[in-house]
Formats: sequence, C-alpha cells, structure tokens
Amino acid sequence: EVQLMESGGGLVQPGGSLRLSCVVSGFTFSGYWMHWVRQGPEKGLVWVSRINVDGRTATYADSVKGRFTISRDNAKNTLYLQLNSLTAEDTAVYYCARDGSNWDFDYWGQGTLVTVSS
Amino acid sequence: QSALTQPASVSGSPGQSITVSCTGTSSDVGSYNYVSWYQQHPGKAPKLMIYAVSRRPSGVSNRFSGSKSGNTASLTISGLQAEDEADYFCTSFTGSSNPYVFGTGTKVTVL
Repeated sequence: EVQLMESGGGLVQPGGSLRLSCVVSGFTFSGYWMHWVRQGPEKGLVWVSRINVDGRTATYADSVKGRFTISRDNAKNTLYLQLNSLTAEDTAVYYCARDGSNWDFDYWGQGTLVTVSS
Repeated sequence: QSALTQPASVSGSPGQSITVSCTGTSSDVGSYNYVSWYQQHPGKAPKLMIYAVSRRPSGVSNRFSGSKSGNTASLTISGLQAEDEADYFCTSFTGSSNPYVFGTGTKVTVL
C-alpha cells in the first residue's frame, strides 16, 4: 500500500523557518518525481514545488522561489521542504504528493499544517 | 497564472448524474490534454479520480468520467451515491514556469 506521511508543521512567527518532512512507503521512492502542494484556509490547492528522482532538479512556484527549498533523501525514503522567510500568506496545509507521470499527482499524504502568526 | 474556475457547489439526488465544470484558458486546459480531477473528503488527503482528461486510475469507480471541450474540462458523476459527497478539484498542466494550476474547488452535495 502506498503511503505518504508529512510532519514538521506548526506555529511559526513571520520571518521564521520550518522544515517539513514526508516519509513514504509502499513504492520505490527513488523512481518517482515528488511534489509539495499547499492549501490555504478556505482556499484551493496551489502547487508549490517538485523535485526529480535524484534530487538534482527542482522547480518552484513563483510565490515561493528563493524562500523554499525542496530536497530528498532516497536512502531514507524521505522528501523535505525547507520554508524560510515565512509570511502569513504561507499559512496552509502542506501536502506531499507523488508524480503520476501525466502531469498529475497520483498519491497524496494527509498534510501538515503550517501557521504563520505572531 | 489564475486558478481554473469551478462552480462553488453542485448538488444532486442519489442515483442522478451531475457534472462539475473546470474552465481555464487557451494556455492551460485548452492547449493540453493533461487535466486531472481530485476528490477530497473533509480532513482527508486528496484522491486522484481522473487523469489525462478522461482516464481513470485503477480502483476508481466507472461512475466517474472526464471530458474536455475547448477551454473547459468536465467531471461527470453518474449514479450519485452518498459517499460521493466531497470537494472536487481539477488541475491542468500550463507549460509555463508554474507548470500546474488548480481549480477553485467544487463542493458536491448529495441531497
């Protein structure tokens, strides 16, 4: 069974940082591109970032470019998202998702909540 | 890149068919056959229901179908069941520096 489990969310002050993790199981992690997608309060889903299988190629949404960094450790079956210079606009549930190969996301985690507030 | 436009809510009685629309532009939905649909129950992870406009992943009921015409994609749920009550989101490839755009989301209610 494919499973993705995010962690690392919490309350952080504006300007602060957080590191999110996503541990996966049930598939060969090193064979898939991976993504982060977020969902703000009462808002729709927004794609945040993706990373290729070996971690050498990453793409970011314009809204997070230069502040967020995606990475992965294939030996630990873990995807990461480093969030820096956080603002209230970054408050959201952050989901990790597996790339479905047709520009879709075929499996998702349950999400981890990031709240940016003073 | 603006979000794809979906109706805020759609409702139907058990056994009926409903259609959820997803309207984009010629830069996203209209140009690529990479529209996917997701079902999300409250507090749960999104679930892929349709990919590449009309293809169904293994395990998804054939009551769910997808189509596209011009800049608008559609998700049809036939034989509506209580368990179909959820939020539904579409997404499309954009070919731009932000390669994915999501829809605004639709709450499907089973009366």
